[in-house]
Amino acid sequence: KQEVTQIPAALSVPEGENLVLNCSFTDSAIYNLQWFRQDPGKGLTSLLLIQSSQREQTSGRLNASLDKSSGRSTLYIAASQPGDSATYLCAVGEMDSSYKLIFGSGTRLLVRP
Amino acid sequence: KAGVTQTPRYLIKTRGQQVTLSCSPISGHRSVSWYQQTPGQGLQFLFEYFSETQRNKGNFPGRFSGRQFSNSRSEMNVSTLELGDSALYLCASSFRQGAITGELFFGEGSRLTVL
Repeated sequence: KQEVTQIPAALSVPEGENLVLNCSFTDSAIYNLQWFRQDPGKGLTSLLLIQSSQREQTSGRLNASLDKSSGRSTLYIAASQPGDSATYLCAVGEMDSSYKLIFGSGTRLLVRP
Repeated sequence: KAGVTQTPRYLIKTRGQQVTLSCSPISGHRSVSWYQQTPGQGLQFLFEYFSETQRNKGNFPGRFSGRQFSNSRSEMNVSTLELGDSALYLCASSFRQGAITGELFFGEGSRLTVL
């Protein structure tokens, strides 16, 4: 059974810092991996999608990497801003009879002005 | 292009009642999935609908059901509500063709409180 773990659970950094959020998964037979952002009381906003055959994806100040063999993904945020404060969720995509996401418990990020 | 729309956004029910939540996917998306988010269990997969058929269901009791209409809109129903059903219910849509599934896009969710 796939398990997804995110470390750290919470992170507080001053504005401008570069930071790395970690995600690990137990079964390397994944279809893809998605990173999401969730603001309090809101739905999920998709940040990056990495297919199982890819090593990384970039969007603006965000870069996500995937290492299936070690069961790890990292989300790198450059030059953090207070508006980046949110919970970041990693989700592993599995495809058997259908597609579903297995989520980690998230990293709650606070970027201090 | 409109995103995923969920209604209602908030609702309060009492134990034993039933509830129906609605989801309109992004235009052109034929796959709709439902997830439950609670503080204790996090985000958990409920079920996926594609071409009006339930393709997969997570580890939830039979009180949780759903359906999908020919226009890809989906509803989920929870009967005989329990206190533990209080949660944010999130709907996601994606493009799907055969075994190829694209990125999931989520709605804002329906927050259910059971008293």
